[in-house]
Amino acid sequence: QVQLLQSGAEVKKPGASVKISCKASGYTFTTYAMHWVRQAPGQRLEWMGWLDAGNGDTKYSQRFQGRVTITRDTSASTAYMELSSLTSEDTAVYYCAILAGWAYWGQGTLVTVSS
Amino acid sequence: DIVMTQSPDSLAVSLGERATINCKSSQSVLYSSNNKNYLAWYQQKPGQPPKVLFYWASTRESGVPDRFSGSGSGTDFTLTISSLQAEDVAVYHCHQYYSTPWTFGQGTKVEIK
Repeated sequence: QVQLLQSGAEVKKPGASVKISCKASGYTFTTYAMHWVRQAPGQRLEWMGWLDAGNGDTKYSQRFQGRVTITRDTSASTAYMELSSLTSEDTAVYYCAILAGWAYWGQGTLVTVSS
Repeated sequence: DIVMTQSPDSLAVSLGERATINCKSSQSVLYSSNNKNYLAWYQQKPGQPPKVLFYWASTRESGVPDRFSGSGSGTDFTLTISSLQAEDVAVYHCHQYYSTPWTFGQGTKVEIK
């Protein structure tokens, strides 16, 4: 069965960067795009961008353009999302997900940004 | 960006009664070439990731009880729970995957009255 296993919670200071991993199993990693979605406290789900796991192409939400980088390691069936220049507004649970209508989601990674 | 607006923000329904959630998109999410609505519904319980209930607006995900139904087309969509059960207490989100940036509704919290 498809599983997406994310790295653990992070605490970062303002101005720092965070890199979250998402290890996929149960399918051929390069078959499906990997999306990243975040959920800040009390806010709606917010799509950040996606990665074509086959060729490495990416597309980012304009809201995060310049701050977010999504990459992959096909040999490890793992996708990564790095967000830079963190502020307290970036405190959220970050999810990797396969969103193809049907969907699989990782368990989420809490990122807390605090001085 | 396509703005997704759900109504109501919350609702309390008695066990066994019907719950109806509406979702309106700021532009059509119906792709004319394949006649598919690029709209999904998710259920999210505290501390858990969202779980897909429907995609293509009305295609039920495997394992989703048939008391749940999804309907609508174009810009107006509805999620209905025909007979609310205790385990249905959750936040429900609609989501358009018609165009980037993909967007979500603000969520509707369903509780027991």
